[in-house]
Amino acid sequence: EDKVVQSPLSLVVHEGDTVTLNCSYEVTNFRSLLWYKQEKKAPTFLFMLTSSGIEKKSGRLSSILDKKELFSILNITATQTGDSAVYLCAAGGTSYGKLTFGQGTILTVHP
Amino acid sequence: NAGVTQTPKFRILKIGQSMTLQCTQDMNHNYMYWYRQDPGMGLKLIYYSVGAGITDKGEVPNGYNVSRSTTEDFPLRLELAAPSQTSVYFCASRSASSTDTQYFGPGTRLTVL
Repeated sequence: EDKVVQSPLSLVVHEGDTVTLNCSYEVTNFRSLLWYKQEKKAPTFLFMLTSSGIEKKSGRLSSILDKKELFSILNITATQTGDSAVYLCAAGGTSYGKLTFGQGTILTVHP
Repeated sequence: NAGVTQTPKFRILKIGQSMTLQCTQDMNHNYMYWYRQDPGMGLKLIYYSVGAGITDKGEVPNGYNVSRSTTEDFPLRLELAAPSQTSVYFCASRSASSTDTQYFGPGTRLTVL
């Protein structure tokens, strides 16, 4: 059975801190690893990673994939209160693009 | 483009009632998905479709049914609602020719009492 596990489950930081969110996966015929941000509504897409060791960046957010060790990390530098959200990791196999989601990390950023 | 739209936004059902959650996308995506998200949990796949007339079960299909008569629409039917079906339901779609990136609708919050 495909499985995605995220850690920590929740995290409380202050503005300006840097955070690292972890995602490990076991997915048959792994193809991609996706990160989504969810703020009390629909998940919104952040990154998709398919190759090991290549960092993807978008502003203060960055992510990298390690296909040998089967994990990914999402870094957020200089956190802001607007970064408070649930961050979901999902792994895709080759079966019709189905995604297996982790349980999410709840990030709370205090002013 | 409106993207993925879902109706209703909220609904309260009594045990044993039935209802249909509507999902429409205007991006001409072949693949569509229904997920449920319980409090503090990730998303679990209920059903998916790879094109009109083709559907298949996901991880948690019991108590639900789907149909896909057009590319745009992918309704989810709940028969004989149970309290265990209280959840937030998300519909998503993606293009068959693109990556695994799925685009989500705004969700339907369903409570069964």
